[in-house]
Amino acid sequence: EPEVTQTPSHQVTQMGQEVILRCVPISNHLYFYWYRQILGQKVEFLVSFYNNEISEKSEIFDDQFSVERPDGSNFTLKIRSTKLEDSAMYFCASLRDRNQPQHFGDGTRLSIL
Amino acid sequence: AQKVTQAQTEISVVEKEDVTLDCVYETRDTTYYLFWYKQPPSGELVFLIRRNSFDEQNEISGRYSWNFQKSTSSFNFTITASQVVDSAVYFCALSESGSGNTGKLIFGQGTTLQVKP
Repeated sequence: EPEVTQTPSHQVTQMGQEVILRCVPISNHLYFYWYRQILGQKVEFLVSFYNNEISEKSEIFDDQFSVERPDGSNFTLKIRSTKLEDSAMYFCASLRDRNQPQHFGDGTRLSIL
Repeated sequence: AQKVTQAQTEISVVEKEDVTLDCVYETRDTTYYLFWYKQPPSGELVFLIRRNSFDEQNEISGRYSWNFQKSTSSFNFTITASQVVDSAVYFCALSESGSGNTGKLIFGQGTTLQVKP
């Protein structure tokens, strides 16, 4: 069964540095999402992406964040200048029909030092 | 506004006990989906079930069953004869499906289930 793939599984970055989290959604999917889970807390929606543009973003998704689908297969989340509070697990998800269950990747654990 | 509440933060049971995880949701949409996900200690999110707002039939899958009641805006999850491998964090989630919705999931705070041998 096709899977959503996220790399790296763990990223350690110095505060203030830029970081790019990568996701390869399932190939025929059309809707893409990023979620964040701070350790021990709930999973929070960050942004949704459809038809090569952001369709919705949460309050968390401020100017430090951006998303891109550069080549039709990858879906990336960039944090421009990381802060300590960006430390979290970041999940990518995709689906073909927006009312279907979302397929989640295994997540990238981002640690900001 | 959409909201999902899982009032039980942690539950501890002994193996073979039945356990029910509660989920209460709020939405203004008449069409929506409800989900349960399992997050084992390894961290990934495992899809368990999706329920359409128009379908209030209860569902059973092996030891798992779900009770959806629109009258009380609840979507509770029961594990029968729990096993140690059921130990995980369980998340209830809501997705509104009316026009203009993006399919995003709104998660509850999660319930940590510990099943002791």
